[in-house]
Amino acid sequence: QVQLQESGPGLVKPSGTLSLTCAVSGGSISSRNWYNWVRQTPGKGLEWIGEIYHSGTTNSNPSLKSRVTISVDKSKNEFSLKMTSVTAADTAVYYCAVAANGLDAFDVWGQGTMVTVSS
Amino acid sequence: QSALTQPASVSGSPGQSITFSCTGSSSDVGSYNLVSWFQQHPGKAPKLIIYDVNKRPSGVSDRFSGSKSGDTASLTISGLRAEDEAIYYCCAYEDRVFGGGTKLTVL
Repeated sequence: QVQLQESGPGLVKPSGTLSLTCAVSGGSISSRNWYNWVRQTPGKGLEWIGEIYHSGTTNSNPSLKSRVTISVDKSKNEFSLKMTSVTAADTAVYYCAVAANGLDAFDVWGQGTMVTVSS
Repeated sequence: QSALTQPASVSGSPGQSITFSCTGSSSDVGSYNLVSWFQQHPGKAPKLIIYDVNKRPSGVSDRFSGSKSGDTASLTISGLRAEDEAIYYCCAYEDRVFGGGTKLTVL
């Protein structure tokens, strides 16, 4: 049973870089899955940020693409998100998610981590 | 990549059936049978309750059902219970786009 766990700083300064990591347990990140980042801004809905395959191939939301880098570390069985030039609008709960069981849907989610952008 | 459209809120009484709508376009909801629905309680991660328009993951109650007509997908909850009070999100998986969510209040 694949499980995901986000980690990273809960506070980032405006214009700084947000960095988060998602640890994968109960399965290998080298399995045939796309690993995703999704965020939820306070009081608002869900927004897909981007995804990565174990080969390193990535796709990103066009609205965030210029600021987002997603990488994978197969030796640690984890993947990461970096978002540059953050503003208060990037304050959100960040989730990692994966379609882990052969479904075309995000069926496994981390518990989420709150990131606040503030000086 | 525009968000799917969901009503902000709906309400119902215990025992009733209630239906949520999720409207996209011919390029997302209308093109693929890859619509999924999530239930989210406060402070919790979203939970998948419907995938591929009308399939339920193992362990999800058969009170939850899904359908699609054209560019609009629907989620129906039958036999409404207090614990169903949550926010419900739809997702067009092929395009990785979500709806804004509908808050369900059980009266």
